[in-house]
Amino acid sequence: DAKTTQPTSMDCAEGRAANLPCNHSTISGNEYVYWYRQIHSQGPQYIIHGLKNNETNEMASLIITEDRKSSTLILPHATLRDTAVYYCIVRGRYNNNDMRFGAGTRLTVKP
Amino acid sequence: KAGVTQTPRYLIKTRGQQVTLSCSPISGHRSVSWYQQTPGQGLQFLFEYFSETQRNKGNFPGRFSGRQFSNSRSEMNVSTLELGDSALYLCASSLATSGSSYNEQFFGPGTRLTVL
Repeated sequence: DAKTTQPTSMDCAEGRAANLPCNHSTISGNEYVYWYRQIHSQGPQYIIHGLKNNETNEMASLIITEDRKSSTLILPHATLRDTAVYYCIVRGRYNNNDMRFGAGTRLTVKP
Repeated sequence: KAGVTQTPRYLIKTRGQQVTLSCSPISGHRSVSWYQQTPGQGLQFLFEYFSETQRNKGNFPGRFSGRQFSNSRSEMNVSTLELGDSALYLCASSLATSGSSYNEQFFGPGTRLTVL
């Protein structure tokens, strides 16, 4: 079962920052937070992951709260191509590769 | 480098038949995982293979099976197909060695199976 809770859907204006929240209140100390997204009819795509520090890469930023019970994925300048379902996943540091996906958040970027 | 490839991309079968799907991981990747995606259940983990051994298994009946070859290519088989097996089957590969702390998975485009 997924260990995360995400809003079902969100809208964002093109060019603005998209902030996607995720609750993972039962996360344990050795578990990472991963974000993937799935654009219609394609396989999921890795975005970013983190343990407790904030992380940034060329695609997005990940902000994890100090108690690690929630996080926010930030797409700094959303484009129409960022319209997708975004999945927040919690998995163990030395876990095998079974990703437990929840329902995700359907982000729609509007012109 | 080439991504994860899956064949065939689309497949239509009838109830009771069996089907074999194929996945070629990214070169150098030794872990291959399979997922089933349906509108009702979302993305669900089927199983993972690493170095030709099944390392982890999801909650699916024994009709779903898989294997991995020495070149890391993997196949999954579904026997006695049911209508509910209609889904997008996704394969993902990873560099992950046993005990790795970083297991980014790269997904293929999937095989869309329709059972009539």
